[in-house]
Parts: sequence; structure tokens; C-alpha cells
Amino acid sequence: DAGITQSPRYKITETGRQVTLMCHQTWSHSYMFWYRQDLGHGLRLIYYSAAADITDKGEVPDGYVVSRSKTENFPLTLESATRSQTSVYFCASSVSYEQYFGPGTRLTVT
Amino acid sequence: GENVEQHPSTLSVQEGDSAVIKCTYSDSASNYFPWYKQELGKRPQLIIDIRSNVGEKKDQRIAVTLNKTAKHFSLHITETQPEDSAVYFCAALPGGGNKLTFGTGTQLKVEL
Repeated sequence: DAGITQSPRYKITETGRQVTLMCHQTWSHSYMFWYRQDLGHGLRLIYYSAAADITDKGEVPDGYVVSRSKTENFPLTLESATRSQTSVYFCASSVSYEQYFGPGTRLTVT
Repeated sequence: GENVEQHPSTLSVQEGDSAVIKCTYSDSASNYFPWYKQELGKRPQLIIDIRSNVGEKKDQRIAVTLNKTAKHFSLHITETQPEDSAVYFCAALPGGGNKLTFGTGTQLKVEL
């Protein structure tokens, strides 16, 4: 599990600011995912990537942007943060169906 | 798309008792069903999974059963211990896809 890391672990930002959450994996897994976790909603998929330079929307993509120039990195950007984006964000990577999660980033938008 | 429903949302058992969590899915083409355990403040961790060509799988005190006809699968934990207290999530993977759809979670509390 040390193979997938996220930074920062905690972030407080103001409404309207741009924020980038980082995700890095050392396994060379092809697939990577971003989820947000909110009470009552479980884990909801924001974006995912099948390989470098291939990304696609998940269930709740509005307000988020992703890129994947290298296999090991999958950053998530909130272009103009809103209070509704206060959440815990998990990155995950996948091999042969099995998904492994990073430690999460707790983001608070004030 | 796939829809996964999970019940109950909370479950309290006495130490040593068994716990059962049930999930139903909508896409008959789904072929992979993992279960994750998430302790407070931690990441979800894969604890067991089952594929559609298998009806049951066991790993020590935990087991998962799958009924493809009824489109439901269940997590069974026997001889529960306090360290089993956590939120458990089920998920389903539609056939040909790579995006898991998660249930909303079950808060399991094992009381002494």
C-alpha cells in the first residue's frame, strides 16, 4: 500500500481558489481513479484513466479536471473550489480488476 | 449503468456472533464483486472479492457468496471481534468495464 501516495493529506482553501490534489503510484498500474467520499453517498467516481493521456468522466466530474502525462501520476484539479467540494478524496489504481486506494486527502473549502 | 444497493446501513453484533451484509446489483453482465473495509480515518482496503464464475469464496473468518440469478452477493463474518468494527463497502464491476460501482456502506459495530 505504500505504492500509492497522495498529497497533501489535508488542505484548507477558500472558495474560488484553484487546488490540485496529487496522486502517485509506483506499481505501474494502467488504471487510476479519483473518488470523493461524503457521508451518505459512499464512494463516487469523479474521473478515471486507462493509461497515460487517456482519461474519462465518472459519475460526478463537474468542477474537476484531470491529466495523466505519466503512468505513475494522476493529479486532480479543482479549477474554482466551491463549498460543495469539501470532501475526502481518494485516488486508486487497479490491476486485474483489483483496486487499491491511496491514503486520501481531506479537503475543506471555506 | 450499474446500481448497487447495500443493506443494512448499520449493524451491531455481540463479539463472537456472525455478521451478514447484503448487496444487490442491477447489471446482469457484472462479473466482479469486491468487498472493502474502511476503518475510521483510513483508506478502504480490499478484504475479499469474488468473480461471477464462483458461488462462494472463503478467507479465514470472512466469506462472500454470490447468487447470479437473484443478482445479489453477501459478506459473512464469523466469530466477530472488536477489530472487525468498521465500514464495509460492496462493489460491482460491469462486464467489459473497469469502473466499480460502490454500495453506500454498512457501519459494523462489534460490541464486547
